[in-house]
Amino acid sequence: DTEVTQTPKHLVMGMTNKKSLKCEQHMGHRAMYWYKQKAKKPPELMFVYSYEKLSINESVPSRFSPECPNSSLLNLHLHALQPEDSALYLCASSQAPGNTIYFGEGSWLTVV
Amino acid sequence: GNSVTQMEGPVTLSEEAFLTINCTYTATGYPSLFWYVQYPGEGLQLLLKATKADDKGSNKGFEATYRKETTSFHLEKGSVQVSDSAVYFCALSPRVSNDYKLSFGAGTTVTVRA
Repeated sequence: DTEVTQTPKHLVMGMTNKKSLKCEQHMGHRAMYWYKQKAKKPPELMFVYSYEKLSINESVPSRFSPECPNSSLLNLHLHALQPEDSALYLCASSQAPGNTIYFGEGSWLTVV
Repeated sequence: GNSVTQMEGPVTLSEEAFLTINCTYTATGYPSLFWYVQYPGEGLQLLLKATKADDKGSNKGFEATYRKETTSFHLEKGSVQVSDSAVYFCALSPRVSNDYKLSFGAGTTVTVRA
């Protein structure tokens, strides 16, 4: 089973709302990732958690706040977003560096 | 630093045509190489991978060979179908401790016409 599950699949939120994206994997992977993807562009790395600790933050604005409650779960808390934050947000996981990274189906976010 | 260059397309083909998408990379050491596919409205799926020189990855009729001497990982399929219409991304992952960054190419949009 190489599945990464993301919820919700679609989310529409206002610029003053607070919402969260959720991600779950049961492959025993020790690294989990958030990526942002604009239409037909490659995904851009946002955050990496390794062994439940934040190891990489790619200078992401503080209106995006990641959380890793345990080794299987990864959340992305959203607050005061801008319309330009509308994108596909992809969660991913891997066992170790250089190993295959498995992506979820993504959450389509629209900020109005 | 690490980087991936792939032909951007778009590429339009007729069904049963031969497809090739070029991918070259720059990296230190011996990275792992991947092709991911993204169908319309979906996330990224791993298509195939190779972890060392001369390895050939294959899946769903697609193939790519890790060529260290030319730093390339070109994707090929002998006879495409309409269902192969998608965006294809070449990617590189360094096998360095604590380096988790996956470097992507720009992506190639492929459209197959019946």
